[in-house]
Amino acid sequence: NAGVTQTPKFQVLKTGQSMTLQCAQDMNHEYMSWYRQDPGMGLRLIHYSVGAGITDQGEVPNGYNVSRSTTEDFPLRLLSAAPSQTSVYFCASSYTAGGRTNEKLFFGSGTQLSVL
Amino acid sequence: KQEVTQIPAALSVPEGENLVLNCSFTDSAIYNLQWFRQDPGKGLTSLLLIQSSQREQTSGRLNASLDKSSGRSTLYIAASQPGDSATYLCAHGSGNTGKLIFGQGTTLQVKP
Repeated sequence: NAGVTQTPKFQVLKTGQSMTLQCAQDMNHEYMSWYRQDPGMGLRLIHYSVGAGITDQGEVPNGYNVSRSTTEDFPLRLLSAAPSQTSVYFCASSYTAGGRTNEKLFFGSGTQLSVL
Repeated sequence: KQEVTQIPAALSVPEGENLVLNCSFTDSAIYNLQWFRQDPGKGLTSLLLIQSSQREQTSGRLNASLDKSSGRSTLYIAASQPGDSATYLCAHGSGNTGKLIFGQGTTLQVKP
């Protein structure tokens, strides 16, 4: 069972570069989300999607774009990387909106991103 | 502002000890509360989910309780083992975004 798969696991960028973090799940989950985890700040929601073609902003969306063309995939795009985006990024999914209904949230193994 | 606080931030115990991790939250209208485990360099694994109408959930040596009126949840680990060493985070559902509000976590070390 693959679950939630994130690629790459590690990435180093220079300021101003763009890149896409990939996330795929094979559990037919409708809800997918992106969090970033920073020391002292905990996990914060960046963007989320309740189904294909539907996305919305979370707590810290600035500098990031998302799209949801299929149920399985939910890529996160950094438009112009900044040092403040150095963080560990997690993709998570559930059958429905985990915070609103009683569904467990499944996490990927994370992408560690450094912006120089 | 909704906040989740976990105390202690770190805990070291000898193998075999029973222990309690604490989680407090300010939002009295939570939908549910989840406890997660995070191993170094890994993602989070959901351990237990307590619905807002429930008081506790059990899985093996783990028992989680929820008291909405006092804004508290506890995770009880019985007969701790070195393999239980990890960071434990609690989180509750918030609003219609599906967003979870996370605590900072308690890092547990179980010594053989």
